[in-house]
Amino acid sequence: RKEVEQDPGPFNVPEGATVAFNCTYSNSASQSFFWYRQDCRKEPKLLMSVYSSGNEDGRFTAQLNRASQYISLLIRDSKLSDSATYLCVSISSNTGKLIFGQGTTLQVKP
Amino acid sequence: DGGITQSPKYLFRKEGQNVTLSCEQNLNHDAMYWYRQDPGQGLRLIYYSQIVNDFQKGDIAEGYSVSREKKESFPLTVTSAQKNPTAFYLCASSIQRFETQYFGPGTRLLVL
Repeated sequence: RKEVEQDPGPFNVPEGATVAFNCTYSNSASQSFFWYRQDCRKEPKLLMSVYSSGNEDGRFTAQLNRASQYISLLIRDSKLSDSATYLCVSISSNTGKLIFGQGTTLQVKP
Repeated sequence: DGGITQSPKYLFRKEGQNVTLSCEQNLNHDAMYWYRQDPGQGLRLIYYSQIVNDFQKGDIAEGYSVSREKKESFPLTVTSAQKNPTAFYLCASSIQRFETQYFGPGTRLLVL
């Protein structure tokens, strides 16, 4: 079992739709979690950190459920420019290494 | 501007050749990392360094070598021992270990 797992998709949604991605992690000792966005043939860029209390940044909301060991990302009012691959990431509490999920691809259609 | 730079953007390697990928950062970060990304897969850690003159193997270090002689620089050498080097190589840095990592633009390595 992979340490961080995501549904690779693709998720095809119309503009204006709300879409949610989930990500599960297996190491209960993981402390920090992030969502990165990666455009085609580009480097990953930090989208937002994920806190236990949940956090929101504009149209994006991230949630962490430690009891069930999953992280979610909600995107409201999808834009064409949201089309990208979204990477779920945890930091290993032992080594500080980033553990990446394989990514979920979102395609927003006009 | 502060940031992480990688060069070259594209690199071609001949059979049996060693090649070196450059990574420089002017963010005053202590920790630096090298990752490899293959199509349809997540990033995998090759090497990381928490401080100058120190580095540790990641999950897929075989066929690679690094050095950390300066805080700003963390070059990666892909040796001839790496039999499947074609990939997208990403360098990252963070203030310290366990902190948020920021990525350079990457180098695509292709084998001729």
